[in-house]
Amino acid sequence: SQTIHQWPATLVQPVGSPLSLECTVEGTSNPNLYWYRQAAGRGLQLLFYSVGIGQISSEVPQNLSASRPQDRQFILSSKKLLLSDSGFYLCAWNLRGYDEQFFGPGTRLTVL
Amino acid sequence: GNSVTQMEGPVTLSEEAFLTINCTYTATGYPSLFWYVQYPGEGLQLLLKATKADDKGSNKGFEATYRKETTSFHLEKGSVQVSDSAVYFCALSDQGAGSYQLTFGKGTKLSVIP
Repeated sequence: SQTIHQWPATLVQPVGSPLSLECTVEGTSNPNLYWYRQAAGRGLQLLFYSVGIGQISSEVPQNLSASRPQDRQFILSSKKLLLSDSGFYLCAWNLRGYDEQFFGPGTRLTVL
Repeated sequence: GNSVTQMEGPVTLSEEAFLTINCTYTATGYPSLFWYVQYPGEGLQLLLKATKADDKGSNKGFEATYRKETTSFHLEKGSVQVSDSAVYFCALSDQGAGSYQLTFGKGTKLSVIP
């Protein structure tokens, strides 16, 4: 069966520090991968998606970036965090041709 | 563009009460519709889905019917339990560039009290 992992589970970082969040999927090949952010009191905002290694599409211009160095690995990064980057970050996957997405457990990021 | 509008919460119900969470959508094509549930501190879990008009999705006592004429996908449950307390998200899918992207509503927080 397929599983999706995210780490760390929680993170507290100072403003201006770098960020690296990791997401990995097991039990499947060639998944589409997604990064969402959920801010307090707001819905889910799609940040990036990827249909293959090295292929990244950005939905929202910001100081975040994403990379996909391996088929089942998706990384969310920032060189300098802002206060507004605080939130709950969710990784998700699905297979090409299928519309439902499966979500990881999330990373709670607090920028102070 | 696509959009999803959900009733604003929070919604507080007593155990065994009837639940309705309204969801309407705007889409250019023929999207699939979903309800996801998020328990405190966790990721989202797919609750149910419907892929075409008049389809009814159901799971764990929850139901929703894809109504194309009213562009709606309201979530219902006949008798809620304390364990149903969570945030519920309505979403639609839109295929583009080889991936299916989900557009979410803002979520409705449900609290069920004994």
